[in-house]
Amino acid sequence: GNSVTQMEGPVTLSEEAFLTINCTYTATGYPSLFWYVQYPGEGLQLLLKATKADDKGSNKGFEATYRKETTSFHLEKGSVQVSDSAVYFCALSDDTGGFKTIFGAGTRLFVKA
Amino acid sequence: SQTIHQWPATLVQPVGSPLSLECTVEGTSNPNLYWYRQAAGRGLQLLFYSVGIGQISSEVPQNLSASRPQDRQFILSSKKLLLSDSGFYLCAWRRDRPYGYTFGSGTRLTVV
Repeated sequence: GNSVTQMEGPVTLSEEAFLTINCTYTATGYPSLFWYVQYPGEGLQLLLKATKADDKGSNKGFEATYRKETTSFHLEKGSVQVSDSAVYFCALSDDTGGFKTIFGAGTRLFVKA
Repeated sequence: SQTIHQWPATLVQPVGSPLSLECTVEGTSNPNLYWYRQAAGRGLQLLFYSVGIGQISSEVPQNLSASRPQDRQFILSSKKLLLSDSGFYLCAWRRDRPYGYTFGSGTRLTVV
């Protein structure tokens, strides 16, 4: 079945450091890929998405490229801020059977001033 | 614009008591609706989804149930709560591809 694996956290960075959170997936067909962010005590918010191979999703300085050859969708940001501290979830939707989405376990990011 | 409402925000219930969590969506019609549970420090587990009124698909057998009595209303229920039902419950809706989910603000349930 479909699955998503993302790097374990927590990840601790200093402000203005470069961020990479790795995500790989297993799926049949051509899934859509997503990154969601969850701030403390809140629901998840869609951060960015990509729907086909080589698509790059971007939002708020975050980027991720859909790499079908390596089945990856790594999240990157060139310069993190304290306000980026949150839990980040990589997710996959195979766009069939109710458009269900499978989430990775989440990676907690701490950014120090 | 579309909005999703989920309530209550927090709930403390004794073991064996019933549960009813409600989720409503505004500004769209025939949304796909989902209930997820997030255990402390863990990822999201899909519990139920619905593609239309009265259509419920269950992903995980347990003592929870879901209903969709109206197009934009999704209810999560239990007749008798267990300690293991504690967690953060999230409702979400989605249009068709290529849109992602829009989540509600969640309900933190503690069973004591």
